Amino acid sequence: NAGVTQTPKFRILKIGQSMTLQCTQDMNHNYMYWYRQDPGMGLKLIYYSVGAGITDKGEVPNGYNVSRSTTEDFPLRLELAAPSQTSVYFCAHSNRGTEAFFGQGTRLTVV
Amino acid sequence: GENVEQHPSTLSVQEGDSAVIKCTYSDSASNYFPWYKQELGKRPQLIIDIRSNVGEKKDQRIAVTLNKTAKHFSLHITETQPEDSAVYFCAATRSGGGADGLTFGKGTHLIIQP
Repeated sequence: NAGVTQTPKFRILKIGQSMTLQCTQDMNHNYMYWYRQDPGMGLKLIYYSVGAGITDKGEVPNGYNVSRSTTEDFPLRLELAAPSQTSVYFCAHSNRGTEAFFGQGTRLTVV
Repeated sequence: GENVEQHPSTLSVQEGDSAVIKCTYSDSASNYFPWYKQELGKRPQLIIDIRSNVGEKKDQRIAVTLNKTAKHFSLHITETQPEDSAVYFCAATRSGGGADGLTFGKGTHLIIQP
């Protein structure tokens, strides 16, 4: 599982609802990321964290929030879901200077 | 910020032939260039990467070349096999190990024809 667990795998949300995507890694890596992947597109960075207590915006942060209270966990919060947030979300982690390991993804549909 | 362009969007080759996918980047400070393979419905997985102090790197049938002057890098797959069919993404970052995340190209759908 590349040392990372993402839940849920699938979710359907109604417009305006909120949810949290969970991400937990067990490799004690400092760096963690959230990406979204729209059909036929590459991955776009939503938020990233270089360590517990530190988070930063990526390319497409609007409509999302994150927290990093521990090294292991990096949840992504969607507030007031919109159809434009329909996507596949990937959590990833890496250690300094090494490859990024991706979770299995969460397929989210907002209707 | 960084911008990564990837071509072609779709590439169909005969089994056994070679495949080449090309990417260009905009940020001259970028120094780490990974390539990811993503099979349908699966997570992206790293297949090879290269750093800016190296011009070429090989791993069995896969190679990556980097031209820093022209700001482009390419993935070469030789003796293609059916299991090479997937979407391939290039990426770039200026933070060496990707501390501030990767900028991805839009992907190339590689189809291996039997």
